[in-house]
Amino acid sequence: AQKITQTQPGMFVQEKEAVTLDCTYDTSDPSYGLFWYKQPSSGEMIFLIYQGSYDQQNATEGRYSLNFQKARKSANLVISASQLGDSAMYFCAMREGPNTGFQKLVFGTGTRLLVSP
Amino acid sequence: DSGVTQTPKHLITATGQRVTLRCSPRSGDLSVYWYQQSLDQGLQFLIHYYNGEERAKGNILERFSAQQFPDLHSELNLSSLELGDSALYFCASSPRTDTYNEQFFGPGTRLTVL
Repeated sequence: AQKITQTQPGMFVQEKEAVTLDCTYDTSDPSYGLFWYKQPSSGEMIFLIYQGSYDQQNATEGRYSLNFQKARKSANLVISASQLGDSAMYFCAMREGPNTGFQKLVFGTGTRLLVSP
Repeated sequence: DSGVTQTPKHLITATGQRVTLRCSPRSGDLSVYWYQQSLDQGLQFLIHYYNGEERAKGNILERFSAQQFPDLHSELNLSSLELGDSALYFCASSPRTDTYNEQFFGPGTRLTVL
C-alpha cells in the first residue's frame, strides 16, 4: 500500500496566485513526521517545511504553509503568492515513528508545479 | 547550498561495471542516508549509516553496498551495473538530536549505465 499519495501529477498556477498541492499519507504509528521538499530542474532536493504528528498548529515557513488534517491523514502544501521560481517538482515525504534522529523518509511520486507569468 | 557534497556529479559507465559514489555530510552530522531516484521507482531509501554503523536498510540491491568512514564521509558502491541502475543517487545527512527533523540533501550523482 502506498504510504504517501500525491494525486496531482501536474499543477498550473498564475504568478501571484496561491496553490495547494495535495498529499495524503497512511500510517498506524501515532508518532510520525511529514515533510515537503522542492526539486527544481537542476535536481537538488530543497527542504521546505515540516509537520510533526503531535504539533498542535499548522507549520508555516514564509510563503509555505502546511494544511495538516490529522483525521483525514492529509498534509497539503499551500504556496501563497506563487513566483516563477516556484516552478519545480514537489515531494511529500513521511517519517514513521518518533524523531529519534534515525529517520528513513518515504516519498510520494511528486507533483510538478508550473507557474506562468 | 545544503553543505552536503557528492562526487562525481555525473557518471557514465557500461553494463557490468562497478562504480563508487562519494558523499561528505554537513560538518558535525553523524547520520548519512542514501536514496535512489529513478523514473520508474521514484525516490527510494537505500541505506542509513550513523557514526560509521549501518542502522537501516531499504530497497538496496545485493549488488550495492555502502560504508561510512571514521571521518564520516560515506561511499556507495554499485557493482555489476545494469541499465536499470541508471538514476540520480542522493546522499542526505542529519544531526543526531531528538528535536531536529530536517534531512539535508546533497546535489546528487547522476549515473547513466549504457
